Amino acid sequence: DGGITQSPKYLFRKEGQNVTLSCEQNLNHDAMYWYRQDPGQGLRLIYYSQIVNDFQKGDIAEGYSVSREKKESFPLTVTSAQKNPTAFYLCATNGGQGRSYGYTFGSGTRLTVV
Amino acid sequence: GENVEQHPSTLSVQEGDSAVIKCTYSDSASNYFPWYKQELGKRPQLIIDIRSNVGEKKDQRIAVTLNKTAKHFSLHITETQPEDSAVYFCAASKGSGTYKYIFGTGTRLKVLA
Repeated sequence: DGGITQSPKYLFRKEGQNVTLSCEQNLNHDAMYWYRQDPGQGLRLIYYSQIVNDFQKGDIAEGYSVSREKKESFPLTVTSAQKNPTAFYLCATNGGQGRSYGYTFGSGTRLTVV
Repeated sequence: GENVEQHPSTLSVQEGDSAVIKCTYSDSASNYFPWYKQELGKRPQLIIDIRSNVGEKKDQRIAVTLNKTAKHFSLHITETQPEDSAVYFCAASKGSGTYKYIFGTGTRLKVLA
């Protein structure tokens, strides 16, 4: 996965259930991001973190929560408050000052409500 | 707010022809513009990028041009091949390091054999 591991690859959620998507990186990148992609649509930012123990809401944060307790990990919880969570979720990272500009993406988690 | 518009949303070309995808950004502080290719069910992959101090960059059959005054940038693919068929996303960012991207809505390119 080019240094970023997302798990699981597929996830099924029942109504009213919270689920957590994992994103782990070994690139030593400072910043991590969560994007949501609906079929045939673009990438919408959910949350991002530029440094450990700090994170910011993106454009569609409602119904989601994150934590950044260590540099390597940025898990995303999809709560029961997210009414339409079926989508493809992508985690990305980029470096700190003086590091690479570009995002590196994980391979994604496909979440389906059953 | 920050916004990136991308056109067209779909594009069909004959194999061997050229394809052009255009993006316009709103934030004049943006200075880094990557292009990503996403195949069905896969993660986006960086194909080319340009920084604001450069007007054009080329990598084999792919080129990107930037017009800072007009705040738009374009992806050019020449001699298209069936394997170029994918969704292409443009993005704009304010700089290096930990700056987030603003993505365009994507262009689905179909190369017809």
